[in-house]
Amino acid sequence: KQEVTQIPAALSVPEGENLVLNCSFTDSAIYNLQWFRQDPGKGLTSLLLIQSSQREQTSGRLNASLDKSSGRSTLYIAASQPGDSATYLCAVSPGGSQGNLIFGKGTKLSVKP
Amino acid sequence: DAGVTQSPTHLIKTRGQQVTLRCSPKSGHDTVSWYQQALGQGPQFIFQYYEEEERQRGNFPDRFSGHQFPNYSSELNVNALLLGDSALYLCASRLLLGYAYNEQFFGPGTRLTVL
Repeated sequence: KQEVTQIPAALSVPEGENLVLNCSFTDSAIYNLQWFRQDPGKGLTSLLLIQSSQREQTSGRLNASLDKSSGRSTLYIAASQPGDSATYLCAVSPGGSQGNLIFGKGTKLSVKP
Repeated sequence: DAGVTQSPTHLIKTRGQQVTLRCSPKSGHDTVSWYQQALGQGPQFIFQYYEEEERQRGNFPDRFSGHQFPNYSSELNVNALLLGDSALYLCASRLLLGYAYNEQFFGPGTRLTVL
């Protein structure tokens, strides 16, 4: 059974710092991995999608990497800003599925001015 | 380009009642999935609809049912509500081209409170 774990559960950093969020999954048979952002009480905003054949994806100040064999992904946020404060969720699409996503519990990020 | 929309935004029901939540997918998308997110948890997959049929189902009881219409919009129905059904219900859509490889887009969610 696929399980997704995110560490740390919460993180507080000063503005301007570069930071890394971690995601691990137990079964390397995945189609893709997606990172989302969720503001309190709101829906999910897709940040980056990495296909199983890819190693990384970049969008602006965000860079996500994928090491499928070790079951790990990282989300790197450069030059953090207070507006980056949110919960970041990692989700995998398991192999053999029809595209459903299995989520971690998220990392709650607080960027202080 | 309209994204995924959901209605209503908030809903309050009492135990034993029935509820219907609605979702319109992103323009051009044909597959709709529903997720339940309890407070402090990641979303849990309920089921997925494609071509008006349930294609895959997560570990949820039969009290949870759904429907997809010819215009690809979808409904989630929950019968005999329990206190534990209180959660944020999220709808996601994607285009089933390339099977499972496509990015999923989520709506703003419906907050259901069961008293």
